[in-house]
Order: sequence, then structure tokens, then C-alpha cells
Amino acid sequence: QKEVEQNSGPLSVPEGAIASLNCTYSDRGSQSFFWYRQYSGKSPELIMSIYSNGDKEDGRFTAQLNKASQYVSLLIRDSQPSDSATYLCAMSAGSGGSNYKLTFGRGT
Amino acid sequence: KAGVTQTPRYLIKTRGQQVTLSCSPISGHRSVSWYQQTPGQGLQFLFEYFSETQRNKGNFPGRFSGRQFSNSRSEMNVSTLELGDSALYLCASSLKGYEQYFGPGTRLTVT
Repeated sequence: QKEVEQNSGPLSVPEGAIASLNCTYSDRGSQSFFWYRQYSGKSPELIMSIYSNGDKEDGRFTAQLNKASQYVSLLIRDSQPSDSATYLCAMSAGSGGSNYKLTFGRGT
Repeated sequence: KAGVTQTPRYLIKTRGQQVTLSCSPISGHRSVSWYQQTPGQGLQFLFEYFSETQRNKGNFPGRFSGRQFSNSRSEMNVSTLELGDSALYLCASSLKGYEQYFGPGTRLTVT
């Protein structure tokens, strides 16, 4: 049973448009949520973290979390060719506890 | 601040051999996690160490083991290598365990 689901893509977005990436999860105990960007042949790079419901903005990136609906999304505004990569959604149950294992989606 | 470093970057081994991979975390980070990335299974968690203690372990066979030293550097060992162990092995460091920063990885090929 998959725990983290992402649209496999590929997602094609015109330059300058908004890219919307979605992720759903099954473990209601998940507390911490992350988006990683991975360029081909490189390792994942942390771009956003979000811990509470709502929106979190950082430059052209906005992460949205809805724990009741068990989804997290990433919006990329003014998309650029340099944004072309695989985006990985990840989460952990760690929140003052001891479970810091990250569970990853397959990426978009 | 220097990032996470991993050595070696590339490795070719034969079935049945064993291998040791090394990871140096970001200065001040005490949590080190290891992941395996393959095209078929994606990124999978191996184990996590904090202050020399294994805190979390993934669903991998006992052939996969690790340890952490007092300076937070970590090693992972894979014994009796199988063809299916060919993968990118990634180390990630974190201050306490939440936000994890990955190293460049070690590409292991088993022939």
C-alpha cells in the first residue's frame, strides 16, 4: 500500500505560468511535510517545509497543507526553464517525537 | 557552511562482496539518515542515527547496517552484495531530524 501519492507526470507548464504539484498521504500521524527538487543525476534538494495547515510562501514557491483532507501541494509561480526537475513530496511523523523517517512519493 | 559529503561517489563491486560507504554531515548536525534510491522503488529509508544511536530503521534486511561516530560522521555497510543492491545511496543530515539535507550520494553498481 502506497503511503504517499503524487501525480507521476510529466507536467508541462509554459514559461511564466503557475505549476501546481499535488501530493496525498495515508498516514494521519504525519506531522512534517517537505518538498524536494531533484535535477537529473543529482541528489534531492530541500526547497520547502510545512508543519501546520495553511499556506507557506518562500519566493516563487508556495506550499499548502490540509491535514483534514490529507494533502499537501506546491505551487511554483512564474515558472522558469530552470525549474525543470523532479519534485518529491516527503513527510515524517516526527514532531517532538522520535520518528524522523522520511517517506517519499515517487515524484512528479 | 560546507554541505553533506559522501565518499566514494562511485563504486563497482561484485556479487557477494561487502561495501562501506561514508558520510560527513553538515557541521553541527547530529542526525544522519541513509536512503536508497532506485528507479523501481524510488527513495526508501534505511536508518537514522542521532548521537551515535540508531533511532529509526527501515524495512531492509540485516545485510544493511550502519553506525555513527562521536563526531557525527556515519558509515553504512552492505554485506553479501546482491545485484538488486545497485542503487544511489544518499545520506542526509539534520540538526534534530526534521529538515534533512542530502549529500551528493554514492552510486553503487553490483556486477
